[in-house]
Amino acid sequence: NAGVMQNPRHLVRRRGQEARLRCSPMKGHSHVYWYRQLPEEGLKFMVYLQKENIIDESGMPKERFSAEFPKEGPSILRIQQVVRGDSAAYFCASSPKLGSQYFGPGTRLTVL
Amino acid sequence: SQQGEEDPQALSIQEGENATMNCSYKTSINNLQWYRQNSGRGLVHLILIRSNEREKHSGRLRVTLDTSKKSSSLLITASRAADTASYFCATDAWGSGNTGKLIFGQGTTLQVKP
Repeated sequence: NAGVMQNPRHLVRRRGQEARLRCSPMKGHSHVYWYRQLPEEGLKFMVYLQKENIIDESGMPKERFSAEFPKEGPSILRIQQVVRGDSAAYFCASSPKLGSQYFGPGTRLTVL
Repeated sequence: SQQGEEDPQALSIQEGENATMNCSYKTSINNLQWYRQNSGRGLVHLILIRSNEREKHSGRLRVTLDTSKKSSSLLITASRAADTASYFCATDAWGSGNTGKLIFGQGTTLQVKP
């Protein structure tokens, strides 16, 4: 059973471009969480999704950020018109139910 | 201050010594988890302790939970150079609307010198 997969592992974008981050949860896991980690800080919750539904997006910035978890395919975190402050590591975690979350390796976004 | 604060922020010890990290939180919880993160890498789940448990062991790891003080500790015994990493505690908030989202502390950076 493969772990949580994220791609790309590293992403470089110029200011104003769009960033798309993908997360494939572990097999059998229907809960997906996205977290952001700024340099030298802990992880901050962004959004929680179940298949086709956003359950909790209380940690998402109001503008430019969106997330989806379609019936088929990976979960996508989308950042439009990126700014330098978006540079961070973005982690996805999955779980089969509320409880232990298993984290992917993260996508490190650098905005030039 | 935020839910899930660790102390110390940084810890440097010699190989073979024990390392103790502490975590405090503010709200009632269902469980508390400890994670390890090697520099520039993802998080590795170490151990989960439920709110009705007081102590849990896993190999060289020992975790305690004191819900009356809203605190937890992680003890790594007989440390090794490979234990060098950042360690985070994470809590999930109890109560209506609980979605299982984790609230992380700032982490403790552990350096184990060979």
